[in-house]
Amino acid sequence: AQKITQTQPGMFVQEKEAVTLDCTYDTSDQSYGLFWYKQPSSGEMIFLIYQGSYDEQNATEGRYSLNFQKARKSANLVISASQLGDSAMYFCAMREGGSQGNLIFGKGTKLSVKP
Amino acid sequence: EAQVTQNPRYLITVTGKKLTVTCSQNMNHEYMSWYRQDPGLGLRQIYYSMNVEVTDKGDVPEGYKVSRKEKRNFPLILESPSPNQTSLYFCASSLSAGGLNTGELFFGEGSRLTVL
Repeated sequence: AQKITQTQPGMFVQEKEAVTLDCTYDTSDQSYGLFWYKQPSSGEMIFLIYQGSYDEQNATEGRYSLNFQKARKSANLVISASQLGDSAMYFCAMREGGSQGNLIFGKGTKLSVKP
Repeated sequence: EAQVTQNPRYLITVTGKKLTVTCSQNMNHEYMSWYRQDPGLGLRQIYYSMNVEVTDKGDVPEGYKVSRKEKRNFPLILESPSPNQTSLYFCASSLSAGGLNTGELFFGEGSRLTVL
C-alpha cells in the first residue's frame, strides 16, 4: 500500500486564486512529520512547509498553509493568491517517527498557473 | 553557503561503463540519502546513511553501491550501468537520523544520467 497518495496528477489554477493540492498518508506511528516540496522546471527541490503529528495548529509559511486533518490522515497544501511562478511539481512527503529519518514521497502533482 | 553539491550534473554514458556520482554537504549533517526520480513515480530512495560507515538499502538499491567514509561525502556508484538506470538522481542530507526528525531534507541540484 502506498504510504503517500497524491490523487491529482495535474491541476490548473487561475492567477491570484487559491488552490489546494491533496495529500493523504498511511502510517501506524503516532509520531510523524509531513513535508511539502516544490520542484520547478529547473529541477531543484525546494522545501515549503512542515507539519508535525503533534502540532495542534496548521502550519503556515507565507502564502503556503497545510490543512492537517489527522483523523482523516490528510495533509493538503493550500497556496493562496497563486502566482505564475508557482507553476511546478509539488511533492508531499512523510517521515515516520519509528523510521531512520527516511522521507517517503508521493508521486507529485503538477500545478499550472494560468495568467 | 549551506549546500549539497552533486557532480556531474549531466552525464551520458554507455552500458557497462562504471561511473560515480559524487555528493558532498557542508552542513555537518549526519543523515544522507540518494533518490532517483522517474516520471509518474515520484522520488524513490536508493540508499541512505545515518552516519559515517553506516549505510542501508532504500526501496530501489539494485544496481547501485554507496559508501560513507567521511561525514560530508556520500558517493553513488553504478558498477555496470544499464539503460533502466537512466534517471534524475538527487542526493539529500538532514541534520540527524532516527526518531522524529523535524529537520527538512536538503537536496542537491540533481544529476541527470542517461545510459545508452
